[in-house]
Amino acid sequence: NAGVMQNPRHLVRRRGQEARLRCSPMKGHSHVYWYRQLPEEGLKFMVYLQKENIIDESGMPKERFSAEFPKEGPSILRIQQVVRGDSAAYFCASSPQKTGNGYTFGSGTRLTVV
Amino acid sequence: AQKVTQAQTEISVVEKEDVTLDCVYETRDTTYYLFWYKQPPSGELVFLIRRNSFDEQNEISGRYSWNFQKSTSSFNFTITASQVVDSAVYFCALSEVAMNSGYSTLTFGKGTMLLVSP
Repeated sequence: NAGVMQNPRHLVRRRGQEARLRCSPMKGHSHVYWYRQLPEEGLKFMVYLQKENIIDESGMPKERFSAEFPKEGPSILRIQQVVRGDSAAYFCASSPQKTGNGYTFGSGTRLTVV
Repeated sequence: AQKVTQAQTEISVVEKEDVTLDCVYETRDTTYYLFWYKQPPSGELVFLIRRNSFDEQNEISGRYSWNFQKSTSSFNFTITASQVVDSAVYFCALSEVAMNSGYSTLTFGKGTMLLVSP
């Protein structure tokens, strides 16, 4: 049973480009959480999704960021028109149920904006 | 609002020394979970332990031990006889269940960087 798979592991984008980060949850997990780790900071919650639904996006920047978790396929975190301040590690976690007590994190995607 | 404080930004020890990483949390809930994660230089997050608020027993796993004190809202982590491979950033985290929704998110501390030198 593979763990939470995130790709790419490293992503470099020029300012103004789009970044798409993918997260495949563990088999049987229908709840996905995205967290962001800015340099010198701990991890901060961004968004919580269930299949085809955004449940809580209170931690997402209001502009340029969006997330989806379609019926088929991975969850996608999309950042449009990236800026240098978006450079961070983005972690995805999945769980088999609502409560995150069974969180499993992926290895993260390190986004560098040049 | 929940909060996790890891007052130690960076700790340096020499191999074989014992080291304790502090974690203090704030929450209004009576039911919550506490976690420790390790982030080695390679960057992934490695789960170490989960504790629920009703279980105050201390736990030992090999060289690792955890001291949960509800009275002081602390969940400290001790590494005995540290090794160079223990060098990493360690995060303490708190999980609360959002009211009326049933789901929970993690609030992380800022982490403590542990450097173990030979």
